[in-house]
Amino acid sequence: DSGVTQTPKHLITATGQRVTLRCSPRSGDLSVYWYQQSLDQGLQFLIQYYNGEERAKGNILERFSAQQFPDLHSELNLSSLELGDSALYFCASSADVYYGYTFGSGTRLTVV
Amino acid sequence: AQTVTQSQPEMSVQEAETVTLSCTYDTSENNYYLFWYKQPPSRQMILVIRQEAYKQQNATENRFSVNFQKAAKSFSLKISDSQLGDTAMYFCAFMMASGTYKYIFGTGTRLKVLA
Repeated sequence: DSGVTQTPKHLITATGQRVTLRCSPRSGDLSVYWYQQSLDQGLQFLIQYYNGEERAKGNILERFSAQQFPDLHSELNLSSLELGDSALYFCASSADVYYGYTFGSGTRLTVV
Repeated sequence: AQTVTQSQPEMSVQEAETVTLSCTYDTSENNYYLFWYKQPPSRQMILVIRQEAYKQQNATENRFSVNFQKAAKSFSLKISDSQLGDTAMYFCAFMMASGTYKYIFGTGTRLKVLA
């Protein structure tokens, strides 16, 4: 157990639907990062939060949004889902980024 | 923009042998960090080793070591005494020392350790 908890582990949903992925960072870590891992695009940075505030955005679609709550857990919301959104979504947290992130085990999203 | 290239999509090695995975990157920055992550079939991303660009000494963690060549923008991972548990995808990642602290990942190398 890495200390970063992601739920659910698997999610199957239909095109056009909306889903919410949840992440609890390691205790004490203020930063949360979301990454998407897909076969065609590899691992891509989506968005970063630090202590409740958005710090950086990557190639995140407008249909996707995220937030970090006062208890530091984060949610990634994906709406109007398309087949191409099928991927593994990782959350990671860090106390000191220079020593690397700690990743959760990911949420496997399948859009059918 | 920074890019990371892993030119070996797949590799295999016999148990107890040594294998080297290559990674090259492109950046105009001088201060950055490089990482190797392992993703076994469980899909968990596990940090293997890290290197600070301003340090000339190559990082070592037990059986894992790197050959960091800053001028050549090369960051290879050497695994000694390979074990079956080393079978995994290995990703090289680049991170700037300031700014967003996001990772730029390579496309990965699938390593299979053979018994």
